[in-house]
Amino acid sequence: AQSVTQPDIHITVSEGASLELRCNYSYGATPYLFWYVQSPGQGLQLLLKYFSGDTLVQGIKGFEAEFKRSQSSFNLRKPSVHWSDAAEYFCAVAPFSGGYNKLIFGAGTRLAVHP
Amino acid sequence: NAGVTQTPKFQVLKTGQSMTLQCAQDMNHNSMYWYRQDPGMGLRLIYYSASEGTTDKGEVPNGYNVSRLNKREFSLRLESAAPSQTSVYFCASSETGRGPGVLTFGAGSRLTVL
Repeated sequence: AQSVTQPDIHITVSEGASLELRCNYSYGATPYLFWYVQSPGQGLQLLLKYFSGDTLVQGIKGFEAEFKRSQSSFNLRKPSVHWSDAAEYFCAVAPFSGGYNKLIFGAGTRLAVHP
Repeated sequence: NAGVTQTPKFQVLKTGQSMTLQCAQDMNHNSMYWYRQDPGMGLRLIYYSASEGTTDKGEVPNGYNVSRLNKREFSLRLESAAPSQTSVYFCASSETGRGPGVLTFGAGSRLTVL
């Protein structure tokens, strides 16, 4: 069965530091991959997506993610974190069996930013 | 644009009571979804509707029913609420032209079942 694993439940970084959030997926073929962000009390917002082509994708708010087929990973990165990046981040996969629209989410990584 | 609007934002029920969560989108999207969010489990799909007039079960459909009233509205009903249904519920919608998996979410409805 398809699954998404986010190994880190909580991460704390200092403002201005770099950030990497890990995501591993289990899927037979190359899936469509996504990162969503949820600010406190809000719904989820799409940060970026990978469908095909260049394995390094750029998203909103200065985030990027790299797809590595050999490692079944799709890690999210940001060179310099801002206090407003404090939120919960979800990796998701869209398997073909759902017509690519039935997203499967990871458990999320909660990011705290120290001033 | 309002996007995806969910009502109510908060609700407290007693075990066995029923209620309906309402969702409406004004983006003319074809597909709509209901997810529940529980701590440490991410979001899990309850039901979805690929287009007006169709609905299908997701990962955790037991205890829920849905109605795609028209293209704009997709409601989620709990016929006999149980404490295990205490959760935050999110409605979402998507448009095929934006690519698969690109969902617009509502702000959520927090439900507590006592």
